[in-house]
Amino acid sequence: ETGVTQSPTHLIKTRGQQVTLRCSSQSGHNTVSWYQQALGQGPQFIFQYYREEENGRGNFPPRFSGLQFPNYSSELNVNALELDDSALYLCASSLKFSAGGSYEQYFGPGTRLTVT
Amino acid sequence: AQSVAQPEDQVNVAEGNPLTVKCTYSVSGNPYLFWYVQYPNRGLQFLLKYITGDNLVKGSYGFEAEFNKSQTSFHLKKPSALVSDSALYFCAVRDKSGATNKLIFGTGTLLAVQP
Repeated sequence: ETGVTQSPTHLIKTRGQQVTLRCSSQSGHNTVSWYQQALGQGPQFIFQYYREEENGRGNFPPRFSGLQFPNYSSELNVNALELDDSALYLCASSLKFSAGGSYEQYFGPGTRLTVT
Repeated sequence: AQSVAQPEDQVNVAEGNPLTVKCTYSVSGNPYLFWYVQYPNRGLQFLLKYITGDNLVKGSYGFEAEFNKSQTSFHLKKPSALVSDSALYFCAVRDKSGATNKLIFGTGTLLAVQP
């Protein structure tokens, strides 16, 4: 098991509502990435945070937003939920600059979001 | 654009037999390649990576992968499959086009090991 934790485990929301998902990084990691994994697909990159600032973004609309805190934990916020937002949301932590350029990311167990 | 492809949705193998899960990549320059495994209702677990060096990379749980530059492939292998290896396997490449340490994943291959 990695040291990355996510909460909650499962969540059911109604279309149009807002949701906040949380992630705690592995100890010593300074970068957090969020991915969306729809059923039967590979994870898709949403955005990444480094030093409390967004460090890159995938092809997701602005209603997907995030925060990173001084302890490197992070939140993913989604406004105006749509049915297609139903997915497993994965948080991954890593070191932005790691010895040997290893770059592997360590994933949490995910939050299963269902939008009805 | 950088990408990885996993041509097989599912691979079936008998316990004790060797297994191969295929992955090909499309990357400009030298690729950073990864394999992850996902068990039901779980997150992704890191198996192994290729950054540079030996083309045969050894990872967790007895898995290894062979990097082949001429064939742009990074196939995952194991000499003797276990029933407990049954899971969803993802190949990924690090996107080097920006400043992010972002991974681009394939669509996944479901490995089913029969007893």
